[in-house]
Amino acid sequence: AQSVTQLDSQVPVFEEAPVELRCNYSSSVSVYLFWYVQYPNQGLQLLLKYLSGSTLVESINGFEAEFNKSQTSFHLRKPSVHISDTAEYFCAVSEDGSRLTFGEGTQLTVNP
Amino acid sequence: NAGVMQNPRHLVRRRGQEARLRCSPMKGHSHVYWYRQLPEEGLKFMVYLQKENIIDESGMPKERFSAEFPKEGPSILRIQQVVRGDSAAYFCASSPVDGGEQYFGPGTRLTVT
Repeated sequence: AQSVTQLDSQVPVFEEAPVELRCNYSSSVSVYLFWYVQYPNQGLQLLLKYLSGSTLVESINGFEAEFNKSQTSFHLRKPSVHISDTAEYFCAVSEDGSRLTFGEGTQLTVNP
Repeated sequence: NAGVMQNPRHLVRRRGQEARLRCSPMKGHSHVYWYRQLPEEGLKFMVYLQKENIIDESGMPKERFSAEFPKEGPSILRIQQVVRGDSAAYFCASSPVDGGEQYFGPGTRLTVT
């Protein structure tokens, strides 16, 4: 069975500061990894994904995540956050690309 | 190309009533997934359907819950005899192929009074 642990439920930061949202997973087989973002009262939007190949993946809005197989981690980072990045972030894993298993979520709050 | 549509966006039901949640996938998508998000929790997988077939229902509660995705029309998640514990946000996602990227709808927020 697969599982996902997001180690921080709340991450408050100041605008333009760097941020890291942590995600660890467990699975007995190779996995696909995803980060989704959820703004208030909206559905989830895919931020970035790791399927294979380069272990460093990037999104169009400055986020990046690195797949670390030995540490079973897929932490999300951004070097400088904006107020508009305030949202809930979910890490997810899938063994076959269909059924997604989500972490509990991390609320990122960017303060001025 | 419109995104995944879900309706209603908000649904209030009294205990014992039935709730019907509808999901229209993106055009060209024949794979639909339902997830439930309880308050203060992440999303939990419920069921995976293709047109006229249930592929994986391992996340569905054993009683009162059912889902369908007919040849024509939206996918329906049906909850019979709702209880307070069913209050949650229910999200639908669709993908064009098995294992493809999932696109999520805005969700239906069910409140059971």
